[in-house]
Amino acid sequence: AQSVTQLGSHVSVSEGALVLLRCNYSSSVPPYLFWYVQYPNQGLQLLLKYTTGATLVKGINGFEAEFKKSETSFHLTKPSAHMSDAAEYFCAVSEGTSGTYKYIFGTGTRLKVLA
Amino acid sequence: GAVVSQHPSRVICKSGTSVKIECRSLDFQATTMFWYRQFPKKSLMLMATSNEGSKATYEQGVEKDKFLINHASLTLSTLTVTSAHPEDSSFYICSARDPQGARGNTEAFFGQGTRLTVV
Repeated sequence: AQSVTQLGSHVSVSEGALVLLRCNYSSSVPPYLFWYVQYPNQGLQLLLKYTTGATLVKGINGFEAEFKKSETSFHLTKPSAHMSDAAEYFCAVSEGTSGTYKYIFGTGTRLKVLA
Repeated sequence: GAVVSQHPSRVICKSGTSVKIECRSLDFQATTMFWYRQFPKKSLMLMATSNEGSKATYEQGVEKDKFLINHASLTLSTLTVTSAHPEDSSFYICSARDPQGARGNTEAFFGQGTRLTVV
């Protein structure tokens, strides 16, 4: 079975500061890992994903994440926060090539950016 | 490419009535679609996997007679909330795979969601 844990349901950072959103996963098969952003009353927008290959993944809007198998982590970072980054962020795992591509989501982290 | 559209985006219905939500893959054929439910300020919970031409597979704890899923074509899956009650109010999101697309084997694509309010 797969699971995702997002540490910190709420994270506040100052504008221009580093953003770090934590995600740990468990999976019995090689996982595919994703970060999504959700704005109020909207669907999910894919920020980035890890499938295979390079463990440092760069996404949209300056976000990146590093897959660390030994730590079962996939933390999301951005060097400098912008006001427009304020949103809900979800980490998700799927079973990859052996699975049916249903996603297991973390509980989400609400990012607040302070002026 | 790989656009998934949900309709309606918002719906308000009276308690006891049924409401249908559509999920369409606009530019690809989706043999498998997924339905998620998101409670206020909560994560997305997978409700069921919708398979074209066969019965949906429901996750544990999801009432299949309450949430009817039909995947009659390769581009359309519908979720019908039957005899809706206020506790069914939620945000429902679908996703679909594009198995033939360039990214088909690595990700699913999400609709924009449907906000259901039962009064």
